[in-house]
Amino acid sequence: GAVVSQHPSWVICKSGTSVKIECRSLDFQATTMFWYRQFPKQSLMLMATSNEGSKATYEQGVEKDKFLINHASLTLSTLTVTSAHPEDSSFYICSAVEASSHEQFFGPGTRLTVL
Amino acid sequence: GENVEQHPSTLSVQEGDSAVIKCTYSDSASNYFPWYKQELGKGPQLIIDIRSNVGEKKDQRIAVTLNKTAKHFSLHITETQPEDSAVYFCAAQMNRDDKIIFGKGTRLHILP
Repeated sequence: GAVVSQHPSWVICKSGTSVKIECRSLDFQATTMFWYRQFPKQSLMLMATSNEGSKATYEQGVEKDKFLINHASLTLSTLTVTSAHPEDSSFYICSAVEASSHEQFFGPGTRLTVL
Repeated sequence: GENVEQHPSTLSVQEGDSAVIKCTYSDSASNYFPWYKQELGKGPQLIIDIRSNVGEKKDQRIAVTLNKTAKHFSLHITETQPEDSAVYFCAAQMNRDDKIIFGKGTRLHILP
């Protein structure tokens, strides 16, 4: 079956530093990837839509300069949290849409803790 | 935009009994309604889905119903087992390759 990986699975960083999270579709091409954020005991909230070769589309209230998204290939999208602060601590989850079937698959998530 | 409401937020059932989770959506343009199961520290896993042209779908112990007129859809789990304990999310999409709007989730506890 289609597999989506995320790296790292967890990361701890100091306040003010930047963190990059990778989302990869391992055995399929993904023209579209989505990034979600999930705070403890809450639902998944869409942050942005990432299309290969074009600029990401951000949801209302999500700062595009703080959450940099790059979808450089059909199998990789990255989310960079710039100048991270403790309130950015969250579970970040990506999903990828298989180009041929249009099915959407989720990654395992990345736990970010900002000290 | 689309808004998905989900109830209850917490549900405890005895092992072997049935569990029902209900959702409503606001945008009549939504056509695809997936349900996800999420275990602690993991990404969501699709367990069943239904399209707007179908009223009911069943997969072993799991079934989903959709009332498009009322904008209601429900998840039914029969013969619950301990491994069914998790958080369940309903969701709505225009199409299955579109962004997903999630409900707030239901924490299901299966009591021994």
